[in-house]
Amino acid sequence: DAGITQSPRHKVTETGTPVTLRCHQTENHRYMYWYRQDPGHGLRLIHYSYGVKDTDKGEVSDGYSVSRSKTEDFLLTLESATSSQTSVYFCAARLQQLTEAFFGQGTRLTVV
Amino acid sequence: TQLLEQSPQFLSIQEGENLTVYCNSSSVFSSLQWYRQEPGEGPVLLVTVVTGGEVKKLKRLTFQFGDARKDSSLHITAAQPGDTGLYLCAGPPQGDSNYQLIWGAGTKLIIKP
Repeated sequence: DAGITQSPRHKVTETGTPVTLRCHQTENHRYMYWYRQDPGHGLRLIHYSYGVKDTDKGEVSDGYSVSRSKTEDFLLTLESATSSQTSVYFCAARLQQLTEAFFGQGTRLTVV
Repeated sequence: TQLLEQSPQFLSIQEGENLTVYCNSSSVFSSLQWYRQEPGEGPVLLVTVVTGGEVKKLKRLTFQFGDARKDSSLHITAAQPGDTGLYLCAGPPQGDSNYQLIWGAGTKLIIKP
């Protein structure tokens, strides 16, 4: 058990609505990441955090925002969901920069 | 853009056969990690290779890091149905001070009984 919990696991939402996905970790990892996984693209980094209130953009950050008010929680918000954001979203955490990345079980988001 | 290209994208073989999957780049990486992902789950780390030319073995899995640290391979001997999954390579490009992981798109492996 990597101690990474994502919620919800599945969600269907309508175009234009805001959506927040939650990632909770219990192992005091400093670094946390949000990825999306789409067929043929592998894992693409959306945003990451290197500490409480310290976040930065990844390669596909448009339309997404994040917040990290506590070490254990990293929230991903889709400000106004679009169909192109239908995907499987994974949260990951690392203790240090060069160590193993631990993943949550993913959130399957469908935007209709 | 620094890319990691994995090949083949898809491989379906019979139990007992051997196979090799590849992870290639034109860029140098500080290290490379191999993960396996099963349906409905997140990736799980198998191994990290750090030194050029390094070979690591994990039971029937052999991982090699290229001498120039631009490529890696995963060889499975006598594949078993339990090896089925998506194999992903990832690594931080050399010189990236944030050590962000660049991910390959994966090799989907199916081992038929």
